[in-house]
Amino acid sequence: DAGVIQSPRHEVTEMGQEVTLRCKPISGHDYLFWYRQTMMRGLELLIYFNNNVPIDDSGMPEDRFSAKMPNASFSTLKIQPSEPRDSAVYFCASSSSQRIGTDEQFFGPGTRLTVL
Amino acid sequence: SQKIEQNSEALNIQEGKTATLTCNYTNYSPAYLQWYRQDPGRGPVFLLLIRENEKEKRKERLKVTFDTTLKQSLFHITASQPADSATYLCALDGGTGGFKTIFGAGTRLFVKA
Repeated sequence: DAGVIQSPRHEVTEMGQEVTLRCKPISGHDYLFWYRQTMMRGLELLIYFNNNVPIDDSGMPEDRFSAKMPNASFSTLKIQPSEPRDSAVYFCASSSSQRIGTDEQFFGPGTRLTVL
Repeated sequence: SQKIEQNSEALNIQEGKTATLTCNYTNYSPAYLQWYRQDPGRGPVFLLLIRENEKEKRKERLKVTFDTTLKQSLFHITASQPADSATYLCALDGGTGGFKTIFGAGTRLFVKA
């Protein structure tokens, strides 16, 4: 398996623009997570899905952030409009409830977002 | 509020020595605790999971302890190697059926040859 795939790997945009981050989880995994990592706040859970349904979005910072999972193999995280304080590395991770004895999450390589 | 503390200062040790990293938490009763490794420019990689009813777990050169009374986990790397240099994150989960995992900020480890 190729692991969790994220695109783009780097994104530079100007304040006010819409940003869409994409994620393809590992095939067969039924949980998908979006995290944000900054030096100041570390790794923060934004939202997670189970079987394509959003379960907990309490970590989403503002209404400017939205996430969707239209099918088991694709998810997007959208920021509109983007602001400089949104600059961070965004990680997507997936996990399987079938892995008995562990709740290991498999992380993608991340998208480094810079908002100017 | 729930809080996880890991040494913010980097840990520098000599190759061959044992590295010990600490994870302390407050206002939380996790069902299990995980340790992840993160290299620069990459996502975290899972290393070990230890449950609340387990005191210690080992995997090759890695050893994790979990003291729910002290609210602390220790992560040991024995016979450390320069390739072990990375940031190590601890993560707690309530295990309530959901996946509300909370990560610590991580400790950077440097192993000198």
